[in-house]
Amino acid sequence: DAKTTQPTSMDCAEGRAANLPCNHSTISGNEYVYWYRQIHSQGPQYIIHGLKNNETNEMASLIITEDRKSSTLILPHATLRDTAVYYCIALGANSKLTFGKGITLSVRP
Amino acid sequence: GAVVSQHPSRVICKSGTSVKIECRSLDFQATTMFWYRQFPKQSLMLMATSNEGSKATYEQGVEKDKFLINHASLTLSTLTVTSAHPEDSSFYICSARGTSGSETQYFGPGTRLLVL
Repeated sequence: DAKTTQPTSMDCAEGRAANLPCNHSTISGNEYVYWYRQIHSQGPQYIIHGLKNNETNEMASLIITEDRKSSTLILPHATLRDTAVYYCIALGANSKLTFGKGITLSVRP
Repeated sequence: GAVVSQHPSRVICKSGTSVKIECRSLDFQATTMFWYRQFPKQSLMLMATSNEGSKATYEQGVEKDKFLINHASLTLSTLTVTSAHPEDSSFYICSARGTSGSETQYFGPGTRLLVL
């Protein structure tokens, strides 16, 4: 699976949108972009995934660039409970989900 | 989303004993289940992959005789840490992938193991 690169950390104010970037310049055509998050001392939580088109669900929006080399996870109205480590992962069919270091998002009051 | 449970949530045991951790998919059938381990301030590390009814596939460096995995049904996988030692103390997390063809894995809440 393609390697992904994320900043180490970022913060945002409560109530504002949090935009989490991810680079995956070597992603192949059949690899999806997956986002998970891990709140301290809990198991990872699935957020969203996409292939080419932008996706939105009740948790977040995923914006994938046309060339698929990068994407952005958007939490539209961040709350304190969104403080977590967010993982961007490129995953192909029948592949194993492996985690990098992710990006630590801190939401401040 | 799909729900995965783990039991127990935390366990303390004496060195040399064995500990079994259960992972269940509650509202879907899981063809494949995965076991991860996470040490403090580190990311999750995949230990093994198990498909229902067949032997687990272990990642490099993970001892299959020490970490016994059984995936006897489409909703249950167990991880047994045999002859546990203090260095096995960690956060063990399972995940499950359904039979629908989607690659999405859903994770359990994790089991905190402390070996004294």
